[in-house]
Amino acid sequence: DGGITQSPKYLFRKEGQNVTLSCEQNLNHDAMYWYRQDPGQGLRLIYYSQIVNDFQKGDIAEGYSVSREKKESFPLTVTSAQKNPTAFYLCASSKARDREFDEQYFGPGTRLTVT
Amino acid sequence: LAKTTQPISMDSYEGQEVNITCSHNNIATNDYITWYQQFPSQGPRFIIQGYKTKVTNEVASLFIPADRKSSTLSLPRVSLSDTAVYYCLQRTGRRALTFGSGTRLQVQP
Repeated sequence: DGGITQSPKYLFRKEGQNVTLSCEQNLNHDAMYWYRQDPGQGLRLIYYSQIVNDFQKGDIAEGYSVSREKKESFPLTVTSAQKNPTAFYLCASSKARDREFDEQYFGPGTRLTVT
Repeated sequence: LAKTTQPISMDSYEGQEVNITCSHNNIATNDYITWYQQFPSQGPRFIIQGYKTKVTNEVASLFIPADRKSSTLSLPRVSLSDTAVYYCLQRTGRRALTFGSGTRLQVQP
């Protein structure tokens, strides 16, 4: 089965700790994305990557970091600098960076709680 | 940022047709209109995309008038399982999508 996996589904951390969220895709997609969703709100873009070894900041990148060393993997690190890290984190991927129509496929999400 | 406006919530009953309208007054020539559906605690799922006039697939129809400043997602004969949040997005170029707060559709028996 092709798809996007995020692990774990639920994650708990103490304030001040960095935490890394996993995102893997076997769809052979070039582009990958990280979004954050707060209760009752839409998705906000954190980072995105159009190609391996390259990524760009989204609308709310402060306090987050990413890497794209492999095409299928795009881990997100929530650092202690992120002031309100508790949220639902969604990873997505899409086929090609040059297509006008580029449907995004989303993973199941990771719910992070920081206390 | 490209911004769309849509109703916060809508209620319907099973078997009815639901139309959700979205306004996108600053739409650019190359922009497409895309709709996603999201169930609680899940990632959004693509429903339909269009540029102008009418697009139909097995799930929904999308109507975009000539001026392209608005669009309407039409869900025929909704069921309880269509209860979800529906997002209208103005897709600009190759950049990642910009989601608003969406429309919460509640379908009742």
